[in-house]
Parts: sequence; structure tokens; C-alpha cells
Amino acid sequence: QITLKESGPTLVKPTQTLTLTCTFSGFSLSTTGVTVGWIRQPPGKALEWLAVIYWDDDKRYSQSLKSRLTITKDASKNQVVLTMTNMDPVDTATYFCAHRRGGYYRGYFDSWGQGTLVTVSS
Amino acid sequence: QSLLTQPPSASGTPGQRVTISCSGSSSNIGANTVNWYQQLPGTAPKLLMYSNDQRPSGVPGRFSGSKSGTSASLAISGLQSEDEADYYCAAWDDSLNGVVFGGGTKLTVL
Repeated sequence: QITLKESGPTLVKPTQTLTLTCTFSGFSLSTTGVTVGWIRQPPGKALEWLAVIYWDDDKRYSQSLKSRLTITKDASKNQVVLTMTNMDPVDTATYFCAHRRGGYYRGYFDSWGQGTLVTVSS
Repeated sequence: QSLLTQPPSASGTPGQRVTISCSGSSSNIGANTVNWYQQLPGTAPKLLMYSNDQRPSGVPGRFSGSKSGTSASLAISGLQSEDEADYYCAAWDDSLNGVVFGGGTKLTVL
């Protein structure tokens, strides 16, 4: 059974850097074909994809946020970390991590964490 | 503004059949498979359909998906009150080299 859980601060100040950790179980990021992604959802708004990291340490980022995002993995700890710099109130959202299967281009998010709400405010 | 266009709302009465459309382009839906997610109020999204028309284990057969060209559709037959949720389509975009989501469709069961 695959489980994922997001952790990190619930409140950050504008211009600060956000660091979120996704801790998972039920799969290994060392296994070929395994991918973990981050998706966010501002209150009352749609889902927005942020980044994915592949088993081979390849990474893809949202073009609109690429300059602010870094995704890394620690397969030995079963964790994926997302950092987002220069936080702004518009970044207030619930941040989800999710397990993705199906390959580089035809993959899909089949297991999701519960999400963590991050509020950006001074 | 989402690269995948969905109607913001849809509705139906119990037992009816409803469809939700998702319109994209040659770089996303036209080139790759489409996935659908269901998000019940206050919960995380759940995979509802993958690879255009494949249902994960546990998803009822009254949910079906299709794709033609640069558009995709999710159909729900025998609508039930528990189907009231937000539905999102998603696909890989070759130009952006990443995942794109639709703007979501809020389904109301009248």
C-alpha cells in the first residue's frame, strides 16, 4: 500500500523560502519507472502542477515557476523535498505530493498525500 | 489560465448521464494520454481514469473516458449523489515539458 505525507511550515513570510518534505512508503524511488510529483491548489482554485522527480534523478519543473523551484530526493529516507524561493501571498495553497506511474510522458498520479496548507503572510 | 479547457460547471439528476469535456492542443492531449481526477469536498484528488479510458481498480464502471484528437471526455452514467465533486483532466505537454491540468469542473447532482 502506497502512502505519502507532506510536512513543512504552515505559515511563511513573504520573500522567505518554503521547504516541504514528502515522506512516503510502499515504494522505492530507486526503482525504475517510479516518479514523485508536487501539485498545489490555492483555496477555491484549480490544481497546478509544480514539479516531478524521476527514479534516475531527472527532474521537470513548471515553466512558470522554474526559477523558484528545486526538487530533490533522498531514496534512502523515502523522502522528496521541494523548495520554493521568494514566497508571495499568491503562493498560499494546499501543497500535495503524489506518486506517479506510467512513464515519463504518459504517467499519472495514482496515489496522493493528504496535502498541507501553506499560508504566506507577514 | 489553464492550457486544458473544461467547463466550470456541470449538473444532472440522479440516474442521468453527464459528460465533462476537456479541450487541449496538439502538444498535450493530441500527443499524450489524458488522465482524470476526482476531488471530493475537502479531500485530496483521486485518480479516476488514466490513459484516456482505463479505470483504476475500485472505480465503478459507470465512469468512462474517451479521447479524440485534441479533446477528451469523461462520462458518468447512472449519476449518484456521491459523484458530486470537482473533476480535473490532465496530460503531459510536450512543449512545456511538464504536466498540465484543466481548470476543473464542479459537478452538482440536483
